[in-house]
Amino acid sequence: DIQMTQSPSSVSASVGDRVTITCRASQGISSWLAWYQQKPGKAPKLLIYAASSLHSGVPSRFSGSGSGTDFTLTISSLQPEDFATYYCHQANSFPITFGQGTRLEIK
Amino acid sequence: QLQLQESGPGLVKPSETVSLSCTVSGGSISSSTYHWGWIRQPPGKGLEWIGSSYYSGSTYYNPSLKSRVTISVDTSKNQFSLKLSSVTAADTAVYYCATYSGSEGNFEYWGQGTLVTVSS
Repeated sequence: DIQMTQSPSSVSASVGDRVTITCRASQGISSWLAWYQQKPGKAPKLLIYAASSLHSGVPSRFSGSGSGTDFTLTISSLQPEDFATYYCHQANSFPITFGQGTRLEIK
Repeated sequence: QLQLQESGPGLVKPSETVSLSCTVSGGSISSSTYHWGWIRQPPGKGLEWIGSSYYSGSTYYNPSLKSRVTISVDTSKNQFSLKLSSVTAADTAVYYCATYSGSEGNFEYWGQGTLVTVSS
């Protein structure tokens, strides 16, 4: 199985800050990576797929980059509604595997 | 726009089989666009993919659960289902159904989730 490791596990930031979250795959996955945002008690929401494609309706302050084993999710200017937990997963091969999550908290 | 809704028992006894259904509205489950999948999340923990099924019947399961999982699609009801056997407390989780796009590698549409608690 491909292991996905996110860092950091949690981060504190302020409204307006730029934040970057990293996801590393244990082997190359080309661009088969997606990012999700999850708020307490809610289902995850798709943000980015194919490493850098913005899902329809997602604000442009969210962006993704990377290929191979190293990927990043960047939020260019944090808004109050962005404080949540973020997950990546690889879609290169079954079983689909998720990162452990990054909790983004208000400083 | 697709909408997914899970249903099933909230409480299951250890060693029993839990059966969950996901009703799809706003589109046909026979669509070739999506696989139909299940993902779970233990309380306070991360996401775990359980498996996915195509309307034609081809299925993919997480090897860690494969011996206990069955995912099936009922085109007549526009539903798909999950059966997980021999449950233990470790299977206590929120269970989500979701669409999986093989061409884009993402879970686009999700149900709201249903909590399954395994307890005697």
